[in-house]
Amino acid sequence: AQTVTQSQPEMSVQEAETVTLSCTYDTSESNYYLFWYKQPPSRQMILVIRQEAYKQQNATENRFSVNFQKAAKSFSLKISDSQLGDTAMYFCAFRGSNYQLIWGAGTKLIIKP
Amino acid sequence: SQTIHQWPATLVQPVGSPLSLECTVEGTSNPNLYWYRQAAGRGLQLLFYSVGIGQISSEVPQNLSASRPQDRQFILSSKKLLLSDSGFYLCAWSWDSSVGELFFGEGSRLTVL
Repeated sequence: AQTVTQSQPEMSVQEAETVTLSCTYDTSESNYYLFWYKQPPSRQMILVIRQEAYKQQNATENRFSVNFQKAAKSFSLKISDSQLGDTAMYFCAFRGSNYQLIWGAGTKLIIKP
Repeated sequence: SQTIHQWPATLVQPVGSPLSLECTVEGTSNPNLYWYRQAAGRGLQLLFYSVGIGQISSEVPQNLSASRPQDRQFILSSKKLLLSDSGFYLCAWSWDSSVGELFFGEGSRLTVL
């Protein structure tokens, strides 16, 4: 069975610093998608970034980028120049051939002023 | 543009009472619809998903049921709530199963006393 592990329950950094959130997964499939979702306090969960496993190039969305290591089954999220609005729960998710998302337990990220 | 609305936002119910959480999507047709339960420190657990009217798949045996009476309406119900049903419930939709990006509602906090 596929699993997703986020080993950091909570992290905090100073505003403007760079922070990396870890995610590892386990699967025997070769084609799949990986996602990072953000859930701000009392606000809707939204997609931050998506990576297709067949693409070697790491996905980037403005200040958000991933380090996708397929062989190591690692999918970390890097947030550069962190802002107060980045404070949120971050969830890593995996989607394989059965189309259902498998979720990590989440990392609570706090950006301090 | 597409929007998703979920209500009520907060609900306090006694044990044994019925439950009805409603979710509607606007601006698209024939979306895939999902109900998730989010537990602290445990990520998201998929409860039900639907690919069309009257088509409901259950992922976890439980005290809950789901219905899709209209194309863009998804309802989570229970005839008799248990204490263990307390939690945060999220409705979501997607274009189809292939891409995996989900669009979430605001969530409903259910407390069973």
